[in-house]
Amino acid sequence: QVQLVQSGAEVKKPGSSVKVSCKASGGTFINYVFGWVRQAPGQGLEWVGGIIPVFRSPNYAQNFQDRVTISADESASTVYMELSGLRSEDTAVYYCVRGAAGIVGATPFDYWGPGTLVPVSS
Amino acid sequence: QSALAQPASVSGSPGQSITISCTGTSRDVGAYDYVSWYKQHPGKAPQLMIYAVSNRPSGVPDRFSGSKSGNTASLTISGLQVEDEGDYYCSSYTHFGTSVLFGGGTTLTVL
Repeated sequence: QVQLVQSGAEVKKPGSSVKVSCKASGGTFINYVFGWVRQAPGQGLEWVGGIIPVFRSPNYAQNFQDRVTISADESASTVYMELSGLRSEDTAVYYCVRGAAGIVGATPFDYWGPGTLVPVSS
Repeated sequence: QSALAQPASVSGSPGQSITISCTGTSRDVGAYDYVSWYKQHPGKAPQLMIYAVSNRPSGVPDRFSGSKSGNTASLTISGLQVEDEGDYYCSSYTHFGTSVLFGGGTTLTVL
């Protein structure tokens, strides 16, 4: 059974950065698509970006391209999302997702992590 | 890029059928059969209900079905049950810019 275990909640100040981790277990790691989806309080889902660990080349949503870095550590079966220049609008639950092998975004997200809350407040 | 358009809410009685629409453009929903539907209970992570327009993952009841016509995808739930209540989101692949678009979400109430 695939499990995605995410790092814990972090309160951040405006202008700072946050790095959220997601450790995958129970399945092959390097060939699958891993991504990040966020959800602001009371709002809908928003794609942040994704990566296929074996290719190491991340794919970012336009809205985040200049502020996000997504990476993968194959030896630890862990993906990371770092978001910089945080502002209050970045307050959200950040979900780690796994999709079947294929094009980032084209394969469905069949596994979701429990989410990591990142409140941004001065 | 704008989110895919979904109705904010739909409702139905137990046993009835409902349909949730998801309207995009010729750059996303209309261009690819990479449309998925997710269900979310409050405070929980979403779960996959339909993928590739009309395919059900193992464990999803056959009361759930998906379809697509032009730039609009649809999720139909037949034989509504109280446990079907929740928020439903569609998503589509797009080759332009962001790669994944989500709908704004639809809250289903079973009266």
